[in-house]
Amino acid sequence: DAGVIQSPRHEVTEMGQEVTLRCKPISGHDYLFWYRQTMMRGLELLIYFNNNVPIDDSGMPEDRFSAKMPNASFSTLKIQPSEPRDSAVYFCASSPRAGSYGYTFGSGTRLTVV
Amino acid sequence: DAKTTQPPSMDCAEGRAANLPCNHSTISGNEYVYWYRQIHSQGPQYIIHGLKNNETNEMASLIITEDRKSSTLILPHATLRDTAVYYCIVRVGGTASKLTFGTGTRLQVTL
Repeated sequence: DAGVIQSPRHEVTEMGQEVTLRCKPISGHDYLFWYRQTMMRGLELLIYFNNNVPIDDSGMPEDRFSAKMPNASFSTLKIQPSEPRDSAVYFCASSPRAGSYGYTFGSGTRLTVV
Repeated sequence: DAKTTQPPSMDCAEGRAANLPCNHSTISGNEYVYWYRQIHSQGPQYIIHGLKNNETNEMASLIITEDRKSSTLILPHATLRDTAVYYCIVRVGGTASKLTFGTGTRLQVTL
């Protein structure tokens, strides 16, 4: 199994531009999570999906952030317009189902907004 | 989910056992204890979890006190590659609950 795959690994963009981060979860995993990590705030949960349906988006910072999961094998996190304070490492994780299962995280996307 | 308290940092000599403590005094009966670690620049990695019995796998052992108010993650023979931030998380099992990461313990394994 290739694990959770995120792309791109690094993204540098100018303020005001649209940024799209991508995630392919492990096949058969029902849950998908988007996290953001910064030095100041640590790891924060942004949103998570169950069977492609958003369950909790209370961590999404503002309307500039949106996430979709059009099918079981693909999810996107979009920032439009991007701002320098969005600079962070964004992680995607998936889990087989609810219950006492561990999450598998991807390698992350390091976003820099200049 | 119950809150956890961990020391901010610890050191361990290579080859020795690393014992990482975690306090979770407000844990509920249906909450599991999870341990993850994050090696620099990588995504967090699941290590082990337990409810009330001690658990062991190829990576580590988890010792949970009888009253479940604290636990210890044991890396039996620490190596330099175990240098990472270790997170202790308490979470309800059997639900679609989310993992909430605290600040963790930064373990430095030295020669």
